[in-house]
Amino acid sequence: GAVVSQHPSRVICKSGTSVKIECRSLDFQATTMFWYRQFPKQSLMLMATSNEGSKATYEQGVEKDKFLINHASLTLSTLTVTSAHPEDSSFYICSARGWRTDNQPQHFGDGTRLSIL
Amino acid sequence: DAKTTQPPSMDCAEGRAANLPCNHSTISGNEYVYWYRQIHSQGPQYIIHGLKNNETNEMASLIITEDRKSSTLILPHATLRDTAVYYCIVRVEETSGSRLTFGEGTQLTVNP
Repeated sequence: GAVVSQHPSRVICKSGTSVKIECRSLDFQATTMFWYRQFPKQSLMLMATSNEGSKATYEQGVEKDKFLINHASLTLSTLTVTSAHPEDSSFYICSARGWRTDNQPQHFGDGTRLSIL
Repeated sequence: DAKTTQPPSMDCAEGRAANLPCNHSTISGNEYVYWYRQIHSQGPQYIIHGLKNNETNEMASLIITEDRKSSTLILPHATLRDTAVYYCIVRVEETSGSRLTFGEGTQLTVNP
């Protein structure tokens, strides 16, 4: 089945640091990638949608200058949390979908647990 | 956007069938029903999806009512590893590309 790889799986860093998370589709070309965030005991919240070669579309309330998304190739998207603070600590999950039909399932990575001290 | 309603939690005995219901009474004609599950501290795992007809794969069966206002995910022989939060999602179709919006899901606990 389709595999989405996310790296790193866990990050612990100091406040003010910028953190980059990578998301790769391993066996298909991902024309669209999605970034979600999940706080403890809550559901996934969509942060942004990106199409390869285009600027990301951010959901309401998500700061685009805070969460930089790059989707420069059909197999790689990155999320950079700039100047991270403790309130940015969360579980970040990427998802990818291929190009064939619009009802193709999204496949998810295993998430990155970000802890800001 | 069509929303879904699921019970917050369910229990099932190991080896028995787990039947997880989902209401989506405002679903429109071209929206698919997707099921995902999330095991603790992992990313969601795709299970199955359908439009009108019942669907079956190696993981589960999806039964959609004729009026499409509700569906049931069936895990035929639940195991302890099936303990997870199960999400029923109606695909939102937009010009920028459809995406999945997660609700609260059902916490399924499979008991020995």
